[in-house]
Amino acid sequence: TQLLEQSPQFLSIQEGENLTVYCNSSSVFSSLQWYRQEPGEGPVLLVTVVTGGEVKKLKRLTFQFGDARKDSSLHITAAQPGDTGLYLCAGDLNFGNEKLTFGTGTRLTIIP
Amino acid sequence: NAGVMQNPRHLVRRRGQEARLRCSPMKGHSHVYWYRQLPEEGLKFMVYLQKENIIDESGMPKERFSAEFPKEGPSILRIQQVVRGDSAAYFCASSPYTGNNSPLHFGNGTRLTVT
Repeated sequence: TQLLEQSPQFLSIQEGENLTVYCNSSSVFSSLQWYRQEPGEGPVLLVTVVTGGEVKKLKRLTFQFGDARKDSSLHITAAQPGDTGLYLCAGDLNFGNEKLTFGTGTRLTIIP
Repeated sequence: NAGVMQNPRHLVRRRGQEARLRCSPMKGHSHVYWYRQLPEEGLKFMVYLQKENIIDESGMPKERFSAEFPKEGPSILRIQQVVRGDSAAYFCASSPYTGNNSPLHFGNGTRLTVT
C-alpha cells in the first residue's frame, strides 16, 4: 500500500512552460516536505510545509499544503532545464520527522 | 562544513556475504536515519538512531539487518548473508534535533549490488 501517491510519474515539457505535480494521500500529515534528487545523489530538501493551506515560494517554485493536510502540490513557473530531476514528496505522520513516508516521485524533464 | 558522508559509494557482494555500510552524520548532528530505495520505488524508512541508541527500527527486516550508532565513529548498517533482493541504494540522513522543522540532510547513498 502506497500512502503517498505522486502524479504524474513522468513529465516532459518544453523550457518556459508551467507545470504542476501532485502528492496525494488519504492520511493526514503533521508536515510535508518536498525534495529533489539528482541521479547518483541523495535527496535535497526544498521546502517543509506544516500548516493546512500553507503556501511557500522558492523562486519559480510554489508549494501548497492542502487545507486538510492530506495533499500537496508543487507548481513550477517558466521551467528551466536546470529544473530537471526527480521530485519527491515526503510526509510525517508523527510530528517528529523520524519516519518520513516518501512518495514514488515525479521524474521531470525540461527540454531546451 | 562537510555534509553527510556515506561510504562506500558502490558495493558489490556475492550472495551470502556480509555488507557493511557506513554513515558519518553532519557535524553536530546526533540523529541518524537509514532509508532504502529500490529501483523505481520511493525511499522506505528503515531505522532511526541516536548516539548508542536505536530509537525506531520498525522499518528494518527482522532478520539479517542490524544498525548501530556508537559513541565514537560512524553509524553502521550491516546486512548479513545478502540476497539479490537486498540490491538497492541505501541512504543515510542526519538532523540536529527532531520535530516538524528539523531539516533532514541526506548523504549520496551506497549502491549495493548483490550478484
